Amino acid sequence: EVQLVESGGGLVRPGGSLRLSCAASGFTFNSFSMNWVRQTPGKGLEWVSSISSGSGYIYYADSVKGRFAVSRDNARKSLYLQMNSLRAQDTAVYYCARENSDTLDSWGQGTLVTVSS
Amino acid sequence: QSALTQPASVSGSPGQSITLSCTGTSSDVGDYNYVSWYQQHPGEAPKLMIYDVSYRPSGVSSRFSGSKSGNTASLTISGLQAEDEADYYCSSYTRGTTPWVFGGGTKLTVL
Repeated sequence: EVQLVESGGGLVRPGGSLRLSCAASGFTFNSFSMNWVRQTPGKGLEWVSSISSGSGYIYYADSVKGRFAVSRDNARKSLYLQMNSLRAQDTAVYYCARENSDTLDSWGQGTLVTVSS
Repeated sequence: QSALTQPASVSGSPGQSITLSCTGTSSDVGDYNYVSWYQQHPGEAPKLMIYDVSYRPSGVSSRFSGSKSGNTASLTISGLQAEDEADYYCSSYTRGTTPWVFGGGTKLTVL
């Protein structure tokens, strides 16, 4: 069974940093691209970033470009999102999701990031 | 404002069929057969219900079906059940600046 478990969320002040992690199990992690998607409270979904299986291709939403950095450790079966210069608008639940045949077929339970003074 | 347009809410009675719409552009829904639909119950993660416009993942009820015409994709749920009450999001691959775009979501209420 595919499992994705996010961690690292919490309360951070504007301008601060946070590192999210996503632990994967139940599938061959190094064969899949992975994505981060966020959901603001009571609002819809927004794609944030994606990283290919070998980390050769990395993409970011314009709203986080230059502030967030995605990475992965295939040996540890883990995905990461380093978030710097955080803003109130970054407050959201952050999900990691597996990319499979042009869809995001498996999602973690999410971790809440709150940016507030 | 979301890239794909979905009605904010839809309702139906048990046993009925309802159709949710998702309107994009020729750069996303109209150009790719990579439309997906996700179901999200309160406090839970999104669950994939339909991918590549009309394919169901293993374990998803055959009451859920998808289609596309031009720039608009649709999700039809037949034989509505109370457990279908949830938020539904569409997404599409796109050749825009981001690979994935989402709709704003439709809240389905089963009366």
